[in-house]
Amino acid sequence: DQQVKQNSPSLSVQEGRISILNCDYTNSMFDYFLWYKKYPAEGPTFLISISSIKDKNEDGRFTVFLNKSAKHLSLHIVPSQPGDSAVYFCAASDSGNTPLVFGKGTRLSVIA
Amino acid sequence: KAGVTQTPRYLIKTRGQQVTLSCSPISGHRSVSWYQQTPGQGLQFLFEYFSETQRNKGNFPGRFSGRQFSNSRSEMNVSTLELGDSALYLCASSPDTASRELFFGSGTQLSVL
Repeated sequence: DQQVKQNSPSLSVQEGRISILNCDYTNSMFDYFLWYKKYPAEGPTFLISISSIKDKNEDGRFTVFLNKSAKHLSLHIVPSQPGDSAVYFCAASDSGNTPLVFGKGTRLSVIA
Repeated sequence: KAGVTQTPRYLIKTRGQQVTLSCSPISGHRSVSWYQQTPGQGLQFLFEYFSETQRNKGNFPGRFSGRQFSNSRSEMNVSTLELGDSALYLCASSPDTASRELFFGSGTQLSVL
């Protein structure tokens, strides 16, 4: 049973426009959510996170929104740049020292 | 500060062989986790170690094992390799078990022929 779902395997966006990556979760015990970015032949790197006590967290061009009632979060990238082309993983954890649970990832292509 | 180091970067093995992968965490980090990444399956949790003790284990067969040494370095072993074990194996470290953010290495790409 997949607890973290990224239903879009891929997304193409034009440079300068907004990229919106979505993530759904099923476990109501999750209280902390992270986004990781992965380039080919490299490990995932941390991008941004959000605690369940917030509904928005912003860091430069990246904003994560959390809708607890819908068990849904999204990552907005504005404006999108070609260097943002990568695979983005959504991850979630609860406070019980259990491992991070990852989605299957969404491949973002930003077209110049 | 040096990042998480994984060796080797690439490995080719044949079915039935065994393999050992190595991971050196960020200096000062005492928790090490291992994940398997296959195309279309995302990152699947293998195990987590802290202070030489396995704290969590994912849903993988007993052919997958690991250990952690007193200097926090970790190894994972896969015995009797199968074609389906071909994957990118990622090691991640964190300062302690309460940290929510993991720092990943570049991974070991294992190909089983």
